Amino acid sequence: SAVISQKPSRDICQRGTSLTIQCQVDSQVTMMFWYRQQPGQSLTLIATANQGSEATYESGFVIDKFPISRPNLTFSTLTVSNMSPEDSSIYLCSVEDGTGSNYGYTFGSGTRLTVV
Amino acid sequence: AQKVTQAQTEISVVEKEDVTLDCVYETRDTTYYLFWYKQPPSGELVFLIRRNSFDEQNEISGRYSWNFQKSTSSFNFTITASQVVDSAVYFCALRRFNSGYALNFGKGTSLLVTP
Repeated sequence: SAVISQKPSRDICQRGTSLTIQCQVDSQVTMMFWYRQQPGQSLTLIATANQGSEATYESGFVIDKFPISRPNLTFSTLTVSNMSPEDSSIYLCSVEDGTGSNYGYTFGSGTRLTVV
Repeated sequence: AQKVTQAQTEISVVEKEDVTLDCVYETRDTTYYLFWYKQPPSGELVFLIRRNSFDEQNEISGRYSWNFQKSTSSFNFTITASQVVDSAVYFCALRRFNSGYALNFGKGTSLLVTP
């Protein structure tokens, strides 16, 4: 299965600033997914990033707040803009990979963001 | 709509007890995939199992077993002889057939196994 390197693993940021999270995959993948996990909650999809086109955002998430880049088939970034304490969450990227009995989803190790 | 319901928010058991985590799903697709993930306190997501809608066989892997029943739209997970290391949050998820095939997660069940 694919291996994802996600950076940074954690950060503490001042409100009003922005943080860019990076995910590097060791193989080419069509779709990359970005999720948010608020404290004690489940994973919620922010957007789906397809190489060469604009990301598709879920209801409640907007591009101005969470701009995403997908410059190639192995890399994507998510920026959390103009942060407030409510943005404190774990952010995870994920890819769909494998076929047949190896089919599944791989997740990055997550970015634990605290906004103060 | 595609939806996953994990009605059990928290479960606490004593070590060596058996425990079943419930997952009920809702989908209009005839082909779909279901997953279970474990999230220990360290935060990473650990893949446990995938089941597709064509395969209703139950699965056993060591102390873990899964019961998939299309008739009741359920995909329940049983841990036999639980251990302290099983303490984690367990998520059931359903693969979408839109939005690029992302996963819809249930709210998760927090399992605490005490000695």
